[in-house]
Amino acid sequence: DAGVIQSPRHEVTEMGQEVTLRCKPISGHDYLFWYRQTMMRGLELLIYFNNNVPIDDSGMPEDRFSAKMPNASFSTLKIQPSEPRDSAVYFCASSRAGSTGELFFGEGSRLTVL
Amino acid sequence: KQEVTQIPAALSVPEGENLVLNCSFTDSAIYNLQWFRQDPGKGLTSLLLIQSSQREQTSGRLNASLDKSSGRSTLYIAASQPGDSATYLCAVYNNNDMRFGAGTRLTVKP
Repeated sequence: DAGVIQSPRHEVTEMGQEVTLRCKPISGHDYLFWYRQTMMRGLELLIYFNNNVPIDDSGMPEDRFSAKMPNASFSTLKIQPSEPRDSAVYFCASSRAGSTGELFFGEGSRLTVL
Repeated sequence: KQEVTQIPAALSVPEGENLVLNCSFTDSAIYNLQWFRQDPGKGLTSLLLIQSSQREQTSGRLNASLDKSSGRSTLYIAASQPGDSATYLCAVYNNNDMRFGAGTRLTVKP
């Protein structure tokens, strides 16, 4: 299995631009999570999906952030408009069973907003 | 709200030493606890998963224990090697939420 695949690995953009991060979970995993990692706040859960349905988006910082999962093999995290404080590494993770399953992470997307 | 603390924040040891990393959590009603390794600029790699009904898990030179009643887990690394240098994070899962500690940055010197 290829593992969780994220793209792009690095993104540099200017304030105000739209950013779209992509994730392909491990085949057969029914939970997908989006995390953000910064030096100041560590790893924060933004949102997670079960069977393509958003279950908890209470970690999404603002309305500028949105996430979708149109099918079992693809999810996007969009920031519009982006701001410098959004600069972070965004991770996608998936698991087979939410409460007892092992969590597998992608390599992350490093976002820099100038 | 679950809080996860890892001590120490950083640890430096000579090659060959056995070492223990600590993780504590405030809410003992957890479903599982998972230890991860993170190399610089990389994602998190799962090391060990302990279900709430288990007391420990072992993989090679790694052994993780779980004491729910005291809200503690330890990751024991035997015969440390320079390749073990990384940040180690623990994460606890309960109430449909997974909380991470800030991690322990381990350096193993040759």
